[in-house]
Amino acid sequence: GAGVSQSPRYKVAKRGQDVALRCDPISGHVSLFWYQQALGQGPEFLTYFQNEAQLDKSGLPSDRFFAERPEGSVSTLKIQRTQQEDSAVYLCASSLVGGVAFFGQGTRLTVV
Amino acid sequence: LAKTTQPISMDSYEGQEVNITCSHNNIATNDYITWYQQFPSQGPRFIIQGYKTKVTNEVASLFIPADRKSSTLSLPRVSLSDTAVYYCLVGGSGYSTLTFGKGTMLLVSP
Repeated sequence: GAGVSQSPRYKVAKRGQDVALRCDPISGHVSLFWYQQALGQGPEFLTYFQNEAQLDKSGLPSDRFFAERPEGSVSTLKIQRTQQEDSAVYLCASSLVGGVAFFGQGTRLTVV
Repeated sequence: LAKTTQPISMDSYEGQEVNITCSHNNIATNDYITWYQQFPSQGPRFIIQGYKTKVTNEVASLFIPADRKSSTLSLPRVSLSDTAVYYCLVGGSGYSTLTFGKGTMLLVSP
């Protein structure tokens, strides 16, 4: 597709459940970013990939959060044993190296 | 990473020009200035990027003074659909984590 695609758009999880959020970046974009956005706040950086290499995961809030991009294109953000504080919009962005980052629509995760 | 400061909110009316100023006193030599727009329930949308002086595209203009310690996003003749949050970011030309602040909530009224 022409833009960054994220799925699902909405996810409701019971506390303690594992979830997986998918990001399809723009074709040819080497860089891929994940962000978490709480209600009324700006996006907060989670992690960054260049191709399949995860170069920065300093923003992941706990070891329950795990991201992968095994073939350097599609990426998955996994959250294990979800908790209520994980409720947020998760945004994915992609770019050429050093280029402008383009964002997807996000996945709204609600943990009940 | 350079920190940015921008007004929390601004109000305007349809047809007016809106200028949103962002301070970035600690901007580094190789940092670019990038502005994004975000509507509710959508991801941030790229508006404009610049390094110095003035940049203009079909949507907005970006004014950057010689010392680069601030920048001003100018939206000509705003409409109701320009109501959104606007983020100013600074970062290098290479890899950058794109640090977002709280942004400026622009409300355009009829």
